[in-house]
Amino acid sequence: GAGVSQSPRYKVAKRGQDVALRCDPISGHVSLFWYQQALGQGPEFLTYFQNEAQLDKSGLPSDRFFAERPEGSVSTLKIQRTQQEDSAVYLCASSLARAGELFFGEGSRLTVL
Amino acid sequence: QKEVEQDPGPLSVPEGAIVSLNCTYSNSAFQYFMWYRQYSRKGPELLMYTYSSGNKEDGRFTAQVDKSSKYISLFIRDSQPSDSATYLCVVGGGSSNTGKLIFGQGTTLQVKP
Repeated sequence: GAGVSQSPRYKVAKRGQDVALRCDPISGHVSLFWYQQALGQGPEFLTYFQNEAQLDKSGLPSDRFFAERPEGSVSTLKIQRTQQEDSAVYLCASSLARAGELFFGEGSRLTVL
Repeated sequence: QKEVEQDPGPLSVPEGAIVSLNCTYSNSAFQYFMWYRQYSRKGPELLMYTYSSGNKEDGRFTAQVDKSSKYISLFIRDSQPSDSATYLCVVGGGSSNTGKLIFGQGTTLQVKP
């Protein structure tokens, strides 16, 4: 596609439910990032993939968060046993190169009740 | 201390005004500096990108980096209502150099017609 595509755009979950957020990067982009953006804050780094390899997951807030990119294209961010503090916009970005411009999707807005 | 500090605003100016947005960063290892713009309910998009100290101009926008004082600025000339958005100061290329970008909190700008 022309840009980074994320789904769902909006997700409401009850506390304790598991959620999965999908990211379709720009075709051919090697690098893929996940960021978390709380209301009124800048995006906070979660994790980074180069092709299918997860090279940095230092930003994942707990072991309830898990990300994968098994074939080096589509990525999924999974949050298990969601908590209210997980409510945020989850942004996916892709890049041609490791230090290149990041192209962001419109985000998945998660609300945990 | 956050790695990138940015005044969140909000900043409100009349159309045609010159806008000055600023931020500071803490780690002298950062090698590249960016400004991203984020419209409401959209993903951030790259506005300006520079590797070195000095000025970089692109139309009505000028980015300024002073590595000695770890200070980054963005100037907008002849501001337009369409410039109303959140401006995110971003740094990258630290010691880990995975391509991870560190975002400031963002400054919300409103340009009134």
